Amino acid sequence: EPEVTQTPSHQVTQMGQEVILRCVPISNHLYFYWYRQILGQKVEFLVSFYNNEISEKSEIFDDQFSVERPDGSNFTLKIRSTKLEDSAMYFCASIGNRGLYGYTFGSGTRLTVV
Amino acid sequence: RKEVEQDPGPFNVPEGATVAFNCTYSNSASQSFFWYRQDCRKEPKLLMSVYSSGNEDGRFTAQLNRASQYISLLIRDSKLSDSATYLCVVPPSRTDRGSTLGRLYFGRGTQLTVWP
Repeated sequence: EPEVTQTPSHQVTQMGQEVILRCVPISNHLYFYWYRQILGQKVEFLVSFYNNEISEKSEIFDDQFSVERPDGSNFTLKIRSTKLEDSAMYFCASIGNRGLYGYTFGSGTRLTVV
Repeated sequence: RKEVEQDPGPFNVPEGATVAFNCTYSNSASQSFFWYRQDCRKEPKLLMSVYSSGNEDGRFTAQLNRASQYISLLIRDSKLSDSATYLCVVPPSRTDRGSTLGRLYFGRGTQLTVWP
């Protein structure tokens, strides 16, 4: 079964540092997403990406965040200057062009900001 | 106003029990719905999709009541391996942004523990 791959599985960073979370979506999927889940809370939408541009972003996705698809396979989320409250699980997801079969999520990156 | 609301739980049931979770959604134009399962500190995994009045897959039955904007998930003959958090997930309706492929709205999840 095709998978969405995320690296690293766990990243610890100091407050104020930049981090890049990486994702390899399923190869024939066209829509890509980042979600996050703070421990004990619900999964929250960050951003969606289609046709090499952001199609929608949430109020969480402020100027500290950016996304990129640098080489046609990777899909990255960059946090420029991390804050303690950025500590969460970050999930990448992708979906094909019909959207009928649900979104496939990667296994997540646990980001810990200290 | 919350887009998706679920039973708070937790539910603790013995093996073999039948358990039902409820979910309400606010957008009356939403067309499709999902139940995801999430194990502790893992990613959500699709359990069932619901597009019409309901869907059944083995021990799992999802039902949709559009008039009441209500979705349910029924698990029969619970197994220990069913212990997880069950997430009610609602995509945007086509009228939101002209696409059904936008953000997903997640409920907070209902925790289920099945004990021997």
